Amino acid sequence: SQTIHQWPATLVQPVGSPLSLECTVEGTSNPNLYWYRQAAGRGLQLLFYSVGIGQISSEVPQNLSASRPQDRQFILSSKKLLLSDSGFYLCAWGRRSYEQYFGPGTRLTVT
Amino acid sequence: AQSVAQPEDQVKVAEGNPLTVKCTYSVSGNPYLFWYVQYPNRGLQFLLKYITGDNLVKGSYGFEAEFNKSQTSFHLKKPSALVSDSALYFCAVSGSGGYQKVTFGTGTKLQVIP
Repeated sequence: SQTIHQWPATLVQPVGSPLSLECTVEGTSNPNLYWYRQAAGRGLQLLFYSVGIGQISSEVPQNLSASRPQDRQFILSSKKLLLSDSGFYLCAWGRRSYEQYFGPGTRLTVT
Repeated sequence: AQSVAQPEDQVKVAEGNPLTVKCTYSVSGNPYLFWYVQYPNRGLQFLLKYITGDNLVKGSYGFEAEFNKSQTSFHLKKPSALVSDSALYFCAVSGSGGYQKVTFGTGTKLQVIP
């Protein structure tokens, strides 16, 4: 069966510090991968998606970037965090336009 | 552009009563429709989907949803609510054919009262 991992689970970072969140998927190959941000426990904002290694599509211009160095690894990064980057970050995988399977999430607080 | 509307920010229902969480959508062509559930501080869990075929779709934990093309709706239902069903529910839509982006609704908070 497929499993998706995210780490860390929680993170507190000062403004201006760098960020690296990692997501890995097990038990499948060539998945579509997604990064979402959820603010205030409600709506999901799609940040990035990837349909293959090195292929990243950005949905919202912002302070963040994403990379996919391996087939089942998806990394979300920032060089300098802003207060507005605080939120709940979710990684997901899926196939084509079908359902997505989400990781447990990372709670990021920028202070 | 595709969109999803969940008109109710919150739904309250007594335990044992039937529940309905509403969803309407807009998309070009044939829709793919999904329901997800989220418990506090957790990722979303996939409940069920409509791709094609029977308009009544059954999913996990006794949930079902009915696709209504004329009303562009995909309401989530359960015959008898449990307290443990209390959570945040998201409806989502994508277009069919190749890769299409998924659009999520803003979520409906379901509270089942003992």
